[in-house]
Amino acid sequence: SQKIEQNSEALNIQEGKTATLTCNYTNYSPAYLQWYRQDPGRGPVFLLLIRENEKEKRKERLKVTFDTTLKQSLFHITASQPADSATYLCAPRGNNRLAFGKGNQVVVIP
Amino acid sequence: DAGVTQSPTHLIKTRGQQVTLRCSPISGHKSVSWYQQVLGQGPQFIFQYYEKEERGRGNFPDRFSARQFPNYSSELNVNALLLGDSALYLCASSHDPGRSSYEQYFGPGTRLTVT
Repeated sequence: SQKIEQNSEALNIQEGKTATLTCNYTNYSPAYLQWYRQDPGRGPVFLLLIRENEKEKRKERLKVTFDTTLKQSLFHITASQPADSATYLCAPRGNNRLAFGKGNQVVVIP
Repeated sequence: DAGVTQSPTHLIKTRGQQVTLRCSPISGHKSVSWYQQVLGQGPQFIFQYYEKEERGRGNFPDRFSARQFPNYSSELNVNALLLGDSALYLCASSHDPGRSSYEQYFGPGTRLTVT
């Protein structure tokens, strides 16, 4: 069955450091993969999309990589700030729909 | 421009009852998707509608149904509520889901509690 794995443990990181999150998927061949941010009690907010033929995508302090051989995407937040504290969701597109991982919480410590 | 709106914000129902949740998409968006998010989990896909037609359905029982209206707003209905239906129900709107890529814009969600 299709599975999306994100680290269930919260990532605590010092302000100014780079946070790196991992998303692994199995039994998918997504044409693209998206990353969303979700704050408690709120709906997810779209951050970045990366296509299967792209290795890397950047947006301001965010960077996403996509390795279709490893079936893995990495999400980086550089120069992290306390305002970056949230849950980050990985969402590969498969079967003509988005499927979400359970998310990875990031806590940036001032 | 207004974002995706959902109503009600919170809802408390009793087991066995029925509930209707409403969603208005961003102006210009013709696709609406519904998701269920249980605490600690990612959103799980329930339905997608585009131009008033069902385009996709997730692995949910027939107690769940939805429809999309000519103005592209949508309703999600859940019958015979179970305790396990307690969750945050999210609505997301987007352009044509058949495009090569599409971002989904989520509403704030409806928090449903079944007692």
